Amino acid sequence: DQQVKQNSPSLSVREGRISILNCDYTNSMFDYFLWYKKYPAEGPTFLISISSIKDKNEDGRFTVFLNKSAKHLSLHIVPSQPGDSAVYFCAAANQAGTALIFGKGTTLSVSS
Amino acid sequence: DAGVTQSPTHLIKTRGQHVTLRCSPISGHKSVSWYQQVLGQGPQFIFQYYEKEERGRGNFPDRFSARQFPNYSSELNVNALLLGDSALYLCASSSPSGANVLTFGAGSRLTVL
Repeated sequence: DQQVKQNSPSLSVREGRISILNCDYTNSMFDYFLWYKKYPAEGPTFLISISSIKDKNEDGRFTVFLNKSAKHLSLHIVPSQPGDSAVYFCAAANQAGTALIFGKGTTLSVSS
Repeated sequence: DAGVTQSPTHLIKTRGQHVTLRCSPISGHKSVSWYQQVLGQGPQFIFQYYEKEERGRGNFPDRFSARQFPNYSSELNVNALLLGDSALYLCASSSPSGANVLTFGAGSRLTVL
C-alpha cells in the first residue's frame, strides 16, 4: 500500500517553461515533506522541503506547495533548464522521524 | 569535505551467498540509514542507526542486518541472497539538527545471479 504516490512516471518540458511535478499522500499524520533529485549513477540529492505548518516554501527556481486538505504537494521549477533533467522523488518523513517514505519518482526531461 | 561514501560501487553475487556493504557518513553526522532502490521504484527504508543503536527498521526479512561502529560508519549485511535482492543499496547520513534531511551516497549496485 503506497503512502506516497507520484502518478506521472514522466514529464517533458521545454527549456524556460515551468515544470510542475505532483505528489499525493495518504497518511494525514505526515508532517514533513521533501523533494529529491536523482541523476543516473548518483545518489538522490536533497532539493527542498516543507513542514506541514506551511503551505509554500521557495528556494531559487524551486517552489514546493502543500495542500493538506487534499493531501497533495507539488514542486514547481521556473524556469526549467536542461540540467534539471533527472528523476524527482517526493518523500514524507514518518511520524517517528526515523525514515523517509518515497514515491516511485517522476522522470523530468527538459529540452532546449 | 567528503560526502557519504559507499563501497563497493558494484558487485555481483550468486543466489545463497552473503554480501557486506559499507558506508562512511559525512563527518559529524551520527545517524546512518540504509535504503534499497529496485529499478523503477523509489528508495525503500531498511534501517536507521543513531549512536550505534538501531532506531528504525523497515519491512525487510531477518536476512538483512546492519550495525554502526564507534566512528559512525556502518555495514549492511544480507544473507542467503535471492534474485530479488538485486538493487541499488543507498546509504544516507543526517545531522542531529537536520534529522529529516538525508544526504545520500552514490550507492552500491548489487546484482544477484
